[in-house]
Amino acid sequence: GNSVTQMEGPVTLSEEAFLTINCTYTATGYPSLFWYVQYPGEGLQLLLKATKADDKGSNKGFEATYRKETTSFHLEKGSVQVSDSAVYFCALATGANSKLTFGKGITLSVRP
Amino acid sequence: GAVVSQHPSWVICKSGTSVKIECRSLDFQATTMFWYRQFPKQSLMLMATSNEGSKATYEQGVEKDKFLINHASLTLSTLTVTSAHPEDSSFYICSATLQAVSGQVNYGYTFGSGTRLTVV
Repeated sequence: GNSVTQMEGPVTLSEEAFLTINCTYTATGYPSLFWYVQYPGEGLQLLLKATKADDKGSNKGFEATYRKETTSFHLEKGSVQVSDSAVYFCALATGANSKLTFGKGITLSVRP
Repeated sequence: GAVVSQHPSWVICKSGTSVKIECRSLDFQATTMFWYRQFPKQSLMLMATSNEGSKATYEQGVEKDKFLINHASLTLSTLTVTSAHPEDSSFYICSATLQAVSGQVNYGYTFGSGTRLTVV
């Protein structure tokens, strides 16, 4: 079956530090890949997505590249801010209207 | 952009009572609605998938008689927690997918803001 593996957390960084959150996946076919962010007490917001190999999703300074050869979709940001503190989920879907398979999520805390 | 309105945002109920959670797609037709449950500091656990006008498909281990899902229209889905008990206390989140545009695949998943259920 499909699965998503995220690096263990939590992660604590100082403001303006470089961020990498690893995500690898196992899926049949050619999944679409997503990063979602969840702020305390809220639902999930789509951060970025990529639908085919070598696509790069980007939003709000975050980037992730769909690497089919390594089955990875690592999230990066060059300079984090305190407002980036949240929980980040990597996810995949294998078809239109199919369910999302989520990783465990990782908590990011950014210190001023 | 696409918005899913989820209500209530939080609810406290007595053990043995039932609670209904609503999710409405405000500016699009939701072909499919997913209902998730999230325990503190954990990932989302898919409970069920519902398509408009048909019965929901429940994930293994989820009691369909306890968690009643109705998707009567393309803009409204409801989750009713029946005879709630303290162990049902959790954060419940819905997610809707946009209706696919003809000839194109639209991977649109829009999440509600979640409902914090506390059963006392």
